[in-house]
Amino acid sequence: SQQGEEDPQALSIQEGENATMNCSYKTSINNLQWYRQNSGRGLVHLILIRSNEREKHSGRLRVTLDTSKKSSSLLITASRAADTASYFCATDAYDYKLSFGAGTTVTVRA
Amino acid sequence: DSGVTQTPKHLITATGQRVTLRCSPRSGDLSVYWYQQSLDQGLQFLIHYYNGEERAKGNILERFSAQQFPDLHSELNLSSLELGDSALYFCASSDRKGSGANVLTFGAGSRLTVL
Repeated sequence: SQQGEEDPQALSIQEGENATMNCSYKTSINNLQWYRQNSGRGLVHLILIRSNEREKHSGRLRVTLDTSKKSSSLLITASRAADTASYFCATDAYDYKLSFGAGTTVTVRA
Repeated sequence: DSGVTQTPKHLITATGQRVTLRCSPRSGDLSVYWYQQSLDQGLQFLIHYYNGEERAKGNILERFSAQQFPDLHSELNLSSLELGDSALYFCASSDRKGSGANVLTFGAGSRLTVL
């Protein structure tokens, strides 16, 4: 079974707009990570936030974590066509694996 | 190129057959993970090896088996294949040490089609 669940399942935005997606999970975690997958390709690590952190930035990415609500959000600012991809949250729950959600498919329209 | 090499990239076979998927982890990484990605199941964790030893097992079918060899490459064996086994199979590696963060580097995947 999957630990994380992303919301929404799909998102379509105009180039230049911001994209926000959310992830909810069920158990205590060591950290939460976000990965990107371009169509049919391998996943690429984007950003990691530890359980004792509340917010983290990396370039145009902003991640928040609320451990009391067991939820995280990923914000991509000033989106570009190249941001079109599926985005997955993954939780590291001290159990020797990462558990992935079902992903959010983001389409950026030119 | 992520540094994680998976072969073959594509594989088409028939029901009842057996296939072997191969993975070479990124240089220096001791951990290898296998995941299955199908349209209706998302990314499912199969199994994790660390330095040749099995560390965690997910929803891996009994028809599937894996191992990690002394040179750290890993193989995933899928037998008695069924139509539902058609999926993308990903290998990922990690250099996690102790209680440090576990960041995965994924290969490009092996796309298996069972006809």
